[in-house]
Amino acid sequence: KQEVTQIPAALSVPEGENLVLNCSFTDSAIYNLQWFRQDPGKGLTSLLLIQSSQREQTSGRLNASLDKSSGRSTLYIAASQPGDSATYLCAVRDNYGQNFVFGPGTRLSVLP
Amino acid sequence: SAVISQKPSRDICQRGTSLTIQCQVDSQVTMMFWYRQQPGQSLTLIATANQGSEATYESGFVIDKFPISRPNLTFSTLTVSNMSPEDSSIYLCSVSVGTEAFFGQGTRLTVV
Repeated sequence: KQEVTQIPAALSVPEGENLVLNCSFTDSAIYNLQWFRQDPGKGLTSLLLIQSSQREQTSGRLNASLDKSSGRSTLYIAASQPGDSATYLCAVRDNYGQNFVFGPGTRLSVLP
Repeated sequence: SAVISQKPSRDICQRGTSLTIQCQVDSQVTMMFWYRQQPGQSLTLIATANQGSEATYESGFVIDKFPISRPNLTFSTLTVSNMSPEDSSIYLCSVSVGTEAFFGQGTRLTVV
């Protein structure tokens, strides 16, 4: 059974810092991995989708990498801003179904 | 991409009552997914809803408690029945378009 973990559980940084969020999964037979952002009490906003054959994806200040063999993905946020404060979730989809298995999330606070 | 409208966005309900959550998608999709997010937790899949057939429930979730309808390819409802305070959560519907997942804005349910 796929299990997804995220480190750290919470992170507080001053504005302008570059930061890395980590995601690990136990079964490397994944179809893809997706990073989401969730604001308090709200739904999920898709940030980046990485297919199993890809190594990384970039969107603006965000860069996500994938190392399928080691079961790891990282989300790099450059020049963080207070508006980046949210919970960041990674989710993996395996080769057998269409639903995702979610990690517990990293709660990010960017201080002005 | 997909735009998902979910209603209501929040509700406060009395224990023992039922609440039906609606999810409307702006395009036809084969499967719709319903998730629960308990306070401080990550997302857990409740069930997968296919049009024209009964929903498939994950372990720990039963149809009597969470009946689902899927009358057409753009709409689904989830009912939370005979509610107790333990049902207080955010409920989210989701679809996959291609290989990417999209989410509604969630329904924040508080049972008192």
